[in-house]
Amino acid sequence: DAGVTQSPTHLIKTRGQQVTLRCSPKSGHDTVSWYQQALGQGPQFIFQYYEEEERQRGNFPDRFSGHQFPNYSSELNVNALLLGDSALYLCASSRPGGADTQYFGPGTRLTVL
Amino acid sequence: AQSVTQLDSQVPVFEEAPVELRCNYSSSVSVYLFWYVQYPNQGLQLLLKYLSGSTLVKGINGFEAEFNKSQTSFHLRKPSVHISDTAEYFCAVSEDSGAGSYQLTFGKGTKLSVIP
Repeated sequence: DAGVTQSPTHLIKTRGQQVTLRCSPKSGHDTVSWYQQALGQGPQFIFQYYEEEERQRGNFPDRFSGHQFPNYSSELNVNALLLGDSALYLCASSRPGGADTQYFGPGTRLTVL
Repeated sequence: AQSVTQLDSQVPVFEEAPVELRCNYSSSVSVYLFWYVQYPNQGLQLLLKYLSGSTLVKGINGFEAEFNKSQTSFHLRKPSVHISDTAEYFCAVSEDSGAGSYQLTFGKGTKLSVIP
């Protein structure tokens, strides 16, 4: 049973560019959440997708957007990259209902130069 | 709004000694509590969770935690640590943010260093 997978593992971009990160949830999970973890900090909630809709959003600007596909996989898009967007981006999935445990993928390390 | 405070940013401990990592939370409603571990350059791995029931929760790798509602705490303990326990540990709280959405709010983490 595959866990949560994310791609790519690492990514280097320059300021002003756009980036797309991808996530496949654990088998049987339909809810996907995205988190940003800056160096030395705890993860911060970006948004959550359920039934292909953004269900909840954290305190992140509109430059951060997402999508969920019918197979429950998800993408995180960041436009007009800033140096401060450099971080580890974590995807987590959970079973229907949402109150249950979130399982995390290995993350995508984004570096903005 | 929910928040989590991890009282120690770094905890050094000798191998085979006991350890306690402290976590306090604030929330206006019933919460679910979690401890995750993060090894260098990796994602988060679930150690244990409290959803309901017994306040003493046992997890993987010999860790346990006790939920104390009156003190709003969820401290993590292990009676004897190993070198392999060296990692960063995150306490997290989850509550219904509305429409059935349960987002996790994390503390800033505690770096556990096990000294040989």
